[in-house]
Order: sequence, then structure tokens, then C-alpha cells
Amino acid sequence: AQSVTQLDSHVSVSEGTPVLLRCNYSSSYSPSLFWYVQHPNKGLQLLLKYTSAATLVKGINGFEAEFKKSETSFHLTKPSAHMSDAAEYFCVVSSGSSGGYQKVTFGTGTKLQVIP
Amino acid sequence: KAGVTQTPRYLIKTRGQQVTLSCSPISGHRSVSWYQQTPGQGLQFLFEYFSETQRNKGNFPGRFSGRQFSNSRSEMNVSTLELGDSALYLCASSSTGTGGYFNYGYTFGSGTRLTVV
Repeated sequence: AQSVTQLDSHVSVSEGTPVLLRCNYSSSYSPSLFWYVQHPNKGLQLLLKYTSAATLVKGINGFEAEFKKSETSFHLTKPSAHMSDAAEYFCVVSSGSSGGYQKVTFGTGTKLQVIP
Repeated sequence: KAGVTQTPRYLIKTRGQQVTLSCSPISGHRSVSWYQQTPGQGLQFLFEYFSETQRNKGNFPGRFSGRQFSNSRSEMNVSTLELGDSALYLCASSSTGTGGYFNYGYTFGSGTRLTVV
């Protein structure tokens, strides 16, 4: 079975302070992990991805995430929040399945609010 | 490089009507997946097409259908629309699709906002 849990549905930070969006996953196979961002009335944009190379992954707009297998986590961080970071963020896991296809599972999303 | 193009961007339909949405993937991408996004249910997988074949299907009624053409463009159709079908419909393309090793991720279009009245 495969699942993704985004531990916070809403996160609020002040501009200039660090951002932490938490994601835990479970998978029977070696997973690929992704973070996507969605601004209002837009599609989803890929922020970063982990595909079994370096465990610390750097993405666009200053975001990064660390794959921790022992903790089954893939938390998204940014040292300093900007107003433009206000959006909804989705953690996604992809791994093999018994049917032979890659199964893609989205988390329920975390809405990030940035306070000026 | 052009992104994923979805048309139309907005649509208003009446209950009982049918609707067709279109998606043009990134050039060279052979896989197109469709998702429904609503505030209550979040992102739900509809189906995936790869090389004109439906590869995976989510848990939606038969009123939801799709197809893919030889140029990888895809359409999804919803017949006998219900109020609950109001949603943002997102199309995503990828190079390998879920039949291969899905390590590139999706590129999403901006979506079609369907409102059923």
C-alpha cells in the first residue's frame, strides 16, 4: 500500500522567517517523491523531486527537501519566506505497484499563508 | 518549449448536458493524466493515457471517459453532468507515464474550471 500524509493543512509564517511543510509517506517499494506548488486558479508546478540520488534535494525558488528513509519523511523547507510563496503545496509519492505500473499518490495539500 | 495547454479555461454547463475538455501535452510527452480537483475531495485521479491506450483508471463513474490521439493530445468527456461535477480539471503530461519508471514527474496545465448549474 502507498500513502502520503501532509501533517498540516494550514501553515502560517511571517515574511522573512523559515518555512517548514511536513510530509510523511509509506510505500512498499522504493519511492520517488515530489513537491508541487499551486497558486490560486493555476495548475500545479513542480518544485523539486527525489529519485534515489542525493537525499537533500534543492528546488526552485529557494526550496529544498530532505529524504529521510528511517523517518519516512520528505519535509519541505525554505530559509526565508516571501509573500509570493503563499500558495498550496502538495507532496506526491510515486512507486511501483503489484500491477506493474507506477502508482502516483497526492497528499491533501498544505496551504501556506505568509504574513507581511 | 510550450507547456501543457488545456482548453477551454472556463466552462459553464447545465445539469444533464455533456462536456468535452481538451489537453495538449508537452511535445514528446506520450503520457497524459487527468485529475479532478475540488475543495472537499482534493486531487482525485481520473485516468491516464499512454500511446493512445488507457493505462490506469481512477474511481469515477462511467460518465467520465477519455481518449488520446496519435499526436498525444487528449480529450476527456463527461456526460449527463451533475452539480457535483463542478471542479477544476487538471491535465498532466509526462514523458514516461506510469507504465515506465515515473521519475520525471508531471507537468500540469492551468486547468479547466467547470461549473455545472
